[in-house]
Amino acid sequence: DTGVSQDPRHKITKRGQNVTFRCDPISEHNRLYWYRQTLGQGPEFLTYFQNEAQLEKSRLLSDRFSAERPKGSFSTLEIQRTEQGDSAMYLCASSETGTTTYEQYFGPGTRLTVT
Amino acid sequence: GDSVTQMEGPVTLSEEAFLTINCTYTATGYPSLFWYVQYPGEGLQLLLKATKADDKGSNKGFEATYRKETTSFHLEKGSVQVSDSAVYFCALSIANTNAGKSTFGDGTTLTVKP
Repeated sequence: DTGVSQDPRHKITKRGQNVTFRCDPISEHNRLYWYRQTLGQGPEFLTYFQNEAQLEKSRLLSDRFSAERPKGSFSTLEIQRTEQGDSAMYLCASSETGTTTYEQYFGPGTRLTVT
Repeated sequence: GDSVTQMEGPVTLSEEAFLTINCTYTATGYPSLFWYVQYPGEGLQLLLKATKADDKGSNKGFEATYRKETTSFHLEKGSVQVSDSAVYFCALSIANTNAGKSTFGDGTTLTVKP
């Protein structure tokens, strides 16, 4: 396995458009996390899945954001009616369950620029 | 809630200098502690971890000791190299609550000059 992958790596969109990002976790990992990172800040938790179930969403995740993991493998994060404040790096991470450390493996991120 | 505070950067050092990046935390439970590194244009990579008090995590010459009494997890390296230039993030995660999601500090940018 080559690790967590994300697509696209970069996305430029105009305000008001919808965008969708994809994350492919490490194959044996059943937990998948989405984070958002803005310049000069650490990643902030958005949501996570255990298998196909979305178990928690941050207050940062407004109604314009939706995430899915339909078959418990890859995940998508959609942002509707994008705003300039959505410009950020969107990071995906995956981990195993059944461990005490919850070590997470991160993808390279998708950088979103809203013009 | 949970939080992580890192020393502010940027930090600029000469090659072979000693590095310390301070990290302190507050947590609602018993956290595992992590240092991640982010090289330019890349994602976060786990550098080292510690899961209980007095544990020392180490990797690539970096070390950090889990100090419960001072709620700290300072990152150290005895002799930095130019290739260590990156952004370093301290993070915590609490097993059995919060589903293992991580809380990160704001990062410290390290630049090592030859």
